[in-house]
Amino acid sequence: EPEVTQTPSHQVTQMGQEVILRCVPISNHLYFYWYRQILGQKVEFLVSFYNNEISEKSEIFDDQFSVERPDGSNFTLKIRSTKLEDSAMYFCASSVESPNTGELFFGEGSRLTVL
Amino acid sequence: QQQVKQSPQSLIVQKGGISIINCAYENTAFDYFPWYQQFPGKGPALLIAIRPDVSEKKEGRFTISFNKSAKQFSLHIMDSQPGDSATYFCAASSRNDMRFGAGTRLTVKP
Repeated sequence: EPEVTQTPSHQVTQMGQEVILRCVPISNHLYFYWYRQILGQKVEFLVSFYNNEISEKSEIFDDQFSVERPDGSNFTLKIRSTKLEDSAMYFCASSVESPNTGELFFGEGSRLTVL
Repeated sequence: QQQVKQSPQSLIVQKGGISIINCAYENTAFDYFPWYQQFPGKGPALLIAIRPDVSEKKEGRFTISFNKSAKQFSLHIMDSQPGDSATYFCAASSRNDMRFGAGTRLTVKP
């Protein structure tokens, strides 16, 4: 069964360092998303991406964050200068259609620890 | 800004009982309301979803009730089983994004 894959599964970084989280969405999906979850709490929307541009972003997704689809298969989230409060589980998701039409498929997450 | 409010935060139910989780939303642009189930160490997975043109949807032991005028919806899990123990998130979607509620940690005791 096709699945969303995320790397790394866990990354530890020093405050102020740049981090890139990588995702390979399901191959025929057109919509891509990043969410984060702090310590098993609420799953917070960061950004949605369609047709090579950001469709929507939340107030969390400030200038420190960026997303890119560098080729036909990867979807990345970059955090330019990490803060302690960026420590969280980051989930990538993808969908065939728009989010109000069908299911979002989530990866297993990348745990980011900022020291 | 909490666009989707969910309660309770945690719920303990005996095996065979009914689990009920409630959600409310503000933004009338939302037009699709899924429920996601998350097990520890995993990403959320779709459980069941409803559109606002129907008031109820049932799939097996899971039922969503939807009240469009009140902007509220709820998940009922009938005959709850220990294997249902997980965190449940309601969500609300518009064309560009999907927002989750805060989650309900359900524990079903044998």
